[in-house]
Amino acid sequence: NAGVTQTPKFQVLKTGQSMTLQCAQDMNHNSMYWYRQDPGMGLRLIYYSASEGTTDKGEVPNGYNVSRLNKREFSLRLESAAPSQTSVYFCASRRLAGVVDTQYFGPGTRLTVL
Amino acid sequence: RKEVEQDPGPFNVPEGATVAFNCTYSNSASQSFFWYRQDCRKEPKLLMSVYSSGNEDGRFTAQLNRASQYISLLIRDSKLSDSATYLCVVPMAGGSYIPTFGRGTSLIVHP
Repeated sequence: NAGVTQTPKFQVLKTGQSMTLQCAQDMNHNSMYWYRQDPGMGLRLIYYSASEGTTDKGEVPNGYNVSRLNKREFSLRLESAAPSQTSVYFCASRRLAGVVDTQYFGPGTRLTVL
Repeated sequence: RKEVEQDPGPFNVPEGATVAFNCTYSNSASQSFFWYRQDCRKEPKLLMSVYSSGNEDGRFTAQLNRASQYISLLIRDSKLSDSATYLCVVPMAGGSYIPTFGRGTSLIVHP
């Protein structure tokens, strides 16, 4: 049981390049989330998917797109990377079962845009 | 006012000390509250949930004060391994579950 996995773990891009961050969960959770975390900041929600086939913007969606490919996978795409997108990106899935409400996070992708 | 506010610290305490952090939130309609722990350069992990007045788990106690709109986390008998950043999470009330994270409170426990 791998939980939430993210690839790649590290990435360096040049300004203007594009890339896709991959996220997968094997816990059969409906909801998935993408966050970014900058030094001294809390996690900020980029996009989320409440269920397969739906996606919605979070607090900081500009410059990003997402795809909920199926129940397991939720990818984040940077079409034209900018230095302001240098950050640590976390994917999470949510377990909601009765009173149990937990987000499980992947290990993160550390992205540097030069 | 930010939606979820925390004192960033760091709180620097000796082993065995009792330490408490507060987290204030702006949305009075919020119903559930969470404390997550994040170790340096690692992913956050759920520490405690708070749904009513409070919750206790071993050395950790979380309490909710709805009137003043804050939650607290109390750690008794601090261990070196408690050194981490503690994130307060308050899902915004509404149709969709949209969690809002505080910036976190850094705790350093020293020998």
